[in-house]
Amino acid sequence: KNEVEQSPQNLTAQEGEFITINCSYSVGISALHWLQQHPGGGIVSLFMLSSGKKKHGRLIATINIQEKHSSLHITASHPRDSAVYICAVSPTYNYQLIWGAGTKLIIKP
Amino acid sequence: DVKVTQSSRYLVKRTGEKVFLECVQDMDHENMFWYRQDPGLGLRLIYFSYDVKMKEKGDIPEGYSVSREKKERFSLILESASTNQTSMYLCASTSGGSEQYFGPGTRLTVT
Repeated sequence: KNEVEQSPQNLTAQEGEFITINCSYSVGISALHWLQQHPGGGIVSLFMLSSGKKKHGRLIATINIQEKHSSLHITASHPRDSAVYICAVSPTYNYQLIWGAGTKLIIKP
Repeated sequence: DVKVTQSSRYLVKRTGEKVFLECVQDMDHENMFWYRQDPGLGLRLIYFSYDVKMKEKGDIPEGYSVSREKKERFSLILESASTNQTSMYLCASTSGGSEQYFGPGTRLTVT
């Protein structure tokens, strides 16, 4: 079993829909990261969080430490949100990140 | 803004060639990482460095070596490139427990 599991693997939605991507992990962590990668593009960090909730524009990330679960929400989705969204965790025991497999999101106009 | 740059966006090399991939960051970060990214496999850590001249193997170090002579620069070396090293290579840097900042990636093709 992977230490970081994301769901769904693939998600296709219509423009304007509310999007939720989930991430579950099984190790103790100091932080959880959400990152974005557009097709052919580099990886950009969206959020780093260790508790509660963070918001940036139409993106919201939440984390429940007790349940070892995080969600990334996109409100009023737009075709430019089409990308791979990756969850990664910083384990408490070293510098390395443990990566989820990513969620490929396609938003249709 | 933190900037992580990589020496090439696209690179084509022949089997057996020695390949150098360079990564430079401008934010005085202690930690630097080299990943490869392949379809269906996600990001896999090759090597990382937490200080000058220090290096640690990641999950897939075979066939690779690294060099960190200066804090801002982390080089990935393929001593004898093989076709199974065709991949996207991504460099990242971070300071302590902060978020990772990625370079744009180098798409390497070995023929």
